[in-house]
Amino acid sequence: AQTVTQSQPEMSVQEAETVTLSCTYDTSENNYYLFWYKQPPSRQMILVIRQEAYKQQNATENRFSVNFQKAAKSFSLKISDSQLGDTAMYFCAFVTGNQFYFGTGTSLTVIP
Amino acid sequence: DTEVTQTPKHLVMGMTNKKSLKCEQHMGHRAMYWYKQKAKKPPELMFVYSYEKLSINESVPSRFSPECPNSSLLNLHLHALQPEDSALYLCASSQERAGVGTLHFGNGTRLTVT
Repeated sequence: AQTVTQSQPEMSVQEAETVTLSCTYDTSENNYYLFWYKQPPSRQMILVIRQEAYKQQNATENRFSVNFQKAAKSFSLKISDSQLGDTAMYFCAFVTGNQFYFGTGTSLTVIP
Repeated sequence: DTEVTQTPKHLVMGMTNKKSLKCEQHMGHRAMYWYKQKAKKPPELMFVYSYEKLSINESVPSRFSPECPNSSLLNLHLHALQPEDSALYLCASSQERAGVGTLHFGNGTRLTVT
């Protein structure tokens, strides 16, 4: 069975500070992709960053970066220089085949 | 601007009504999805269409009926819904090929069943 675990239901961070959201997953597949999606109150699910499991190099997208540990099945998201617009629910997900598996989400609040 | 367009944005319907949700994408994606999402919860998969054929139905009640008229359009027909069906309904699309499939979501339809 494929599972995704986000152990931090809620987090907060001061504006301009750095925060890390954790995600672990369980799969017996070898080929898969990992994602972080952001869902602000406006409700659209927005892709933040994507990581191919076969790549050892961690993905980076501007202020967002991941720490991908394949052996540990861990995929954490680091947000640097947090901004008020980063306030949102963050969902970790992975896809294998054409099936997506989502974590339970972390509600992040950026405090001015 | 989202590349997946959903209409309407909000819908209020009674338990005896029949209504439809619509979704459209023009990215050439061949897989389209319906998800249901409750507040503060992850999206729950309902249906997947691949090359206009229903490939996954996650044991969804028959009061929800999907339709894929062509590769760009996806509908969800609603009939005799229950109040517990009130939720955000998200449409998404992806390239069909396995492992390449970043999900692109629409803005969703907020459905309230009274």
